[in-house]
Amino acid sequence: AQRVTQPEKLLSVFKGAPVELKCNYSYSGSPELFWYVQYSRQRLQLLLRHISRESIKGFTADLNKGETSFHLKKPFAQEEDSAMYYCALRRYGGSQGNLIFGKGTKLSVKP
Amino acid sequence: NAGVTQTPKFQVLKTGQSMTLQCAQDMNHNSMYWYRQDPGMGLRLIYYSASEGTTDKGEVPNGYNVSRLNKREFSLRLESAAPSQTSVYFCASSEAYRGRTGELFFGEGSRLTVL
Repeated sequence: AQRVTQPEKLLSVFKGAPVELKCNYSYSGSPELFWYVQYSRQRLQLLLRHISRESIKGFTADLNKGETSFHLKKPFAQEEDSAMYYCALRRYGGSQGNLIFGKGTKLSVKP
Repeated sequence: NAGVTQTPKFQVLKTGQSMTLQCAQDMNHNSMYWYRQDPGMGLRLIYYSASEGTTDKGEVPNGYNVSRLNKREFSLRLESAAPSQTSVYFCASSEAYRGRTGELFFGEGSRLTVL
């Protein structure tokens, strides 16, 4: 079964501390993974995708096929990083692929 | 650029009432989606439309119907609302390239309460 697991509902860190939001997936084949973010009173938006291997707003995420993980990391958290973060897996099958979302992790960065 | 526009933003219904959530996108995307967002459940796909003229069920389609009116518009209808349908609904759209769905662009959400 195709599944995305985000084990933490809430993650609270202090400003300047490292942050890691965990994401594990279940998928047979080559997965395509994403992180979406929803800031307060804003739309859900794409943060980064693993195929791009990019760093956005200081965040990075590496696909680890051995551990079936795609954890989101940032070395020094900022208050403006406080938001809801969703890990997502592209689902294949049917007439068109679409995304399976995890349940989300709320990141709170304290001053 | 409006992107994805949903209406209404807020709605309160009584059990058994019907209503339609409207969604329109101006990015010329082929694919459109309806998700619901519930606390502790994340986003779950209700229905999607890969292209104009097609619709498919997602994870939680029961109690909903959709219409892909044209390339721009994708509506979600609740025929007989139930309290379990109290949720925040998000419409999204994406372009397809080489047979794969691109980045999803979301609307602002519609908060629906069923009493």
